[in-house]
Amino acid sequence: AQKVTQAQTEISVVEKEDVTLDCVYETRDTTYYLFWYKQPPSGELVFLIRRNSFDEQNEISGRYSWNFQKSTSSFNFTITASQVVDSAVYFCALNTNAGKSTFGDGTTLTVKP
Amino acid sequence: GAGVSQSPSNKVTEKGKDVELRCDPISGHTALYWYRQSLGQGLEFLIYFQGNSAPDKSGLPSDRFSAERTGGSVSTLTIQRTQQEDSAVYLCASSGWTGLNTEAFFGQGTRLTVV
Repeated sequence: AQKVTQAQTEISVVEKEDVTLDCVYETRDTTYYLFWYKQPPSGELVFLIRRNSFDEQNEISGRYSWNFQKSTSSFNFTITASQVVDSAVYFCALNTNAGKSTFGDGTTLTVKP
Repeated sequence: GAGVSQSPSNKVTEKGKDVELRCDPISGHTALYWYRQSLGQGLEFLIYFQGNSAPDKSGLPSDRFSAERTGGSVSTLTIQRTQQEDSAVYLCASSGWTGLNTEAFFGQGTRLTVV
């Protein structure tokens, strides 16, 4: 069975602080994809990034960066110099079976001005 | 359409009543998914449609839940004899193809409250 754990339920930071959202996954499959989605207050989940199980290269996109470590089954997400607009619920998801993603419970990030 | 559209955005119903939730996916998307998001929890997979294939209903929590997709486009999720534990946000998503690397495009959800 697949499982995604986001241990941090809520995180609160002050604007311009860096923040890391943790994601740990479990699967016996050797081929899989990991995703991060952002759910702003409007409710619509928005895709941020995907990473396949064979690519452990970290990725940076602007203020966002992702650290994938297969050895620890983790796919962590860091926001540098956080902004108020980053306030949202962030979900980590695992795809091992096309069409049926396993989501974590989400981390609510609040960035205060 | 420009994005995934769900209606209604909010629905309050009395316990025991039936409800229908509608999803209009992005035009041309062959895959459609329903998820349920309970308060403070992640997304729970309900059902998945891909083209003309038989849907994957493995996530439906009980036989009170059913869904159909007409003409490969619009989908309706029906909950019969609603219970209070059915209260949640029901999210629909679609994608242009299906693969492990496929990201989903989500609607804004329908917030269902059973009183």
